[in-house]
Amino acid sequence: GAGVSQTPSNKVTEKGKYVELRCDPISGHTALYWYRQSLGQGPEFLIYFQGTGAADDSGLPNDRFFAVRPEGSVSTLKIQRTERGDSAVYLCASSLKATGANVLTFGAGSRLTVL
Amino acid sequence: AQTVTQSQPEMSVQEAETVTLSCTYDTSESDYYLFWYKQPPSRQMILVIRQEAYKQQNATENRFSVNFQKAAKSFSLKISDSQLGDAAMYFCAYRSAFGSGGSNYKLTFGKGTLLTVNP
Repeated sequence: GAGVSQTPSNKVTEKGKYVELRCDPISGHTALYWYRQSLGQGPEFLIYFQGTGAADDSGLPNDRFFAVRPEGSVSTLKIQRTERGDSAVYLCASSLKATGANVLTFGAGSRLTVL
Repeated sequence: AQTVTQSQPEMSVQEAETVTLSCTYDTSESDYYLFWYKQPPSRQMILVIRQEAYKQQNATENRFSVNFQKAAKSFSLKISDSQLGDAAMYFCAYRSAFGSGGSNYKLTFGKGTLLTVNP
């Protein structure tokens, strides 16, 4: 597509529930990234995919968070047993390659609210 | 680890005037990239300008320019002839230029500066 698409735009859930956030990157972009932006903060790195594999998942806060990209295109961020502290905007970005010079294109994010 | 600091949580400017947003960073690397991103209420991060550390010349994109001081580890953004559409959160970000062993795929962001443009 023309840009990075993220769904849902907003998600409200109850503590303890499971949520999935979807990212559809720009066609042909092999690198995909997830960032989390808490209120009043800049985005923080969660995970980076090169193709189908997670090349770096060091930013995932704990084992309740998991992400997949099975066909090297669409990615899903999965959060189990959600907690109120998980409330944030989850941003997805993609780039043609993952080298420093490559510019990331961001989606509009998914705002997650855990009640 | 690299850190990025934006010391101005909020700034305001009159329409048509010039404003400068500050950013400092800390790194032990010699080669890297610096970015300014704009985030309007729509939440989408939009690249404003990019600077390559090994280039001494300051980057310019239309009304946006940077003052890159490598020794001082400073990277400020100047917006000239401010427009109402410039109102947004502005984030400074750092990215390593190095491949294996370096996190050249990872952006490190500051906390942002909220820019208000007054008509």
